[in-house]
Amino acid sequence: EADIYQTPRYLVIGTGKKITLECSQTMGHDKMYWYQQDPGMELHLIHYSYGVNSTEKGDLSSESTVSRIRTEHFPLTLESARPSHTSQYLCASRSSNQPQHFGDGTRLSIL
Amino acid sequence: EDQVTQSPEALRLQEGESSSLNCSYTVSGLRGLFWYRQDPGKGPEFLFTLYSAGEEKEKERLKATLTKKESFLHITAPKPEDSATYLCAVQTANTGNQFYFGTGTSLTVIP
Repeated sequence: EADIYQTPRYLVIGTGKKITLECSQTMGHDKMYWYQQDPGMELHLIHYSYGVNSTEKGDLSSESTVSRIRTEHFPLTLESARPSHTSQYLCASRSSNQPQHFGDGTRLSIL
Repeated sequence: EDQVTQSPEALRLQEGESSSLNCSYTVSGLRGLFWYRQDPGKGPEFLFTLYSAGEEKEKERLKATLTKKESFLHITAPKPEDSATYLCAVQTANTGNQFYFGTGTSLTVIP
């Protein structure tokens, strides 16, 4: 059973606010990922990390930042929320040569 | 350009009516193909990894197969609890730490 946790599960917040979505895993995985998922659409990669102090941008990275100071923690920050950020955000982790394991996501609504 | 296409978008089956879901891919150097199950409000749950053409994996009523161009997820005598969205993802040699996802097949099994 994968142990990867995302908080909050749901968030409704106004435009212009700074938001941090939390993701933690207890499996010691070196690689972690953030995806955006909209209904009927494929998962889009936002950011990923190979390990501590290493982060890379995905296709949708321009309006968010991540950090990887500890192996187990990979938070995603939106500096100024916009209605276009309304979506489900999924965090995943894996070790080399293993599949990704996902958290249950954060459903974000920007008013 | 690497691409993953799943069909059909939606499938309704009577309980006990076997069928197959398709995931076709065009990628440069397949390193692995992954099947996930996603229930509403949850993150994707890992099912299978396939690495090379001809490989097959089974789990309860599910069987995944792989050719050089596509993968099938066969569902034998499905039950209502098999209702979910099934996602396919590929890992390529060019972008080894990134994964490309299809848009999924939404399966409904009617009692």
